Amino acid sequence: GQNIDQPTEMTATEGAIVQINCTYQTSGFNGLFWYQQHAGEAPTFLSYNVLDGLEEKGRFSSFLSRSKGYSYLLLKELQMKDSASYLCAGPINNAGNMLTFGGGTRLMVKP
Amino acid sequence: DVKVTQSSRYLVKRTGEKVFLECVQDMDHENMFWYRQDPGLGLRLIYFSYDVKMKEKGDIPEGYSVSREKKERFSLILESASTNQTSMYLCASSFLGEGYTFGSGTRLTVV
Repeated sequence: GQNIDQPTEMTATEGAIVQINCTYQTSGFNGLFWYQQHAGEAPTFLSYNVLDGLEEKGRFSSFLSRSKGYSYLLLKELQMKDSASYLCAGPINNAGNMLTFGGGTRLMVKP
Repeated sequence: DVKVTQSSRYLVKRTGEKVFLECVQDMDHENMFWYRQDPGLGLRLIYFSYDVKMKEKGDIPEGYSVSREKKERFSLILESASTNQTSMYLCASSFLGEGYTFGSGTRLTVV
């Protein structure tokens, strides 16, 4: 199976840039997802990386290195509404239809 | 947009009761999932289904069962609710190889 590790908490300032890291075991892996979850709400899809490199979507970018078992989510021009938990997830079966999640990184954006 | 609808947002049940949590998706997804989410433990997979009448156990199936009689509906059943099943329950659906779409969650309290 997959072990997915990410920091528990991070704090950053409004307007700044923050990088949230995620590491995982590489066996049987074929893609990595990032989700955002505001307190009391369901997770929502942010990004999916299946190839190495950086994918940019507006203020959010996600990076993957399959050989290193490493990904990060980069948030630019932080806004107060970015305060949320960010979940890293990867497929854990050969069919690729079942995800396992990291514990999530709780990001607090301060003024 | 895909919609995943969970029948109740908040639920309070007594110990020993049989509890049904319902989930319906409207985009003809093959895969449906039930997770529970607890502070410090993250998202843990209870059961998933990849087709009608098909189901597979996840990481923590004990005390739960599921039913998928129709493609759009996936029910989670707590045969005899216990206080340690107090949690946030999240339903999700997906196409093969794509990320999940989550329902809004059911916060279940067992007293």
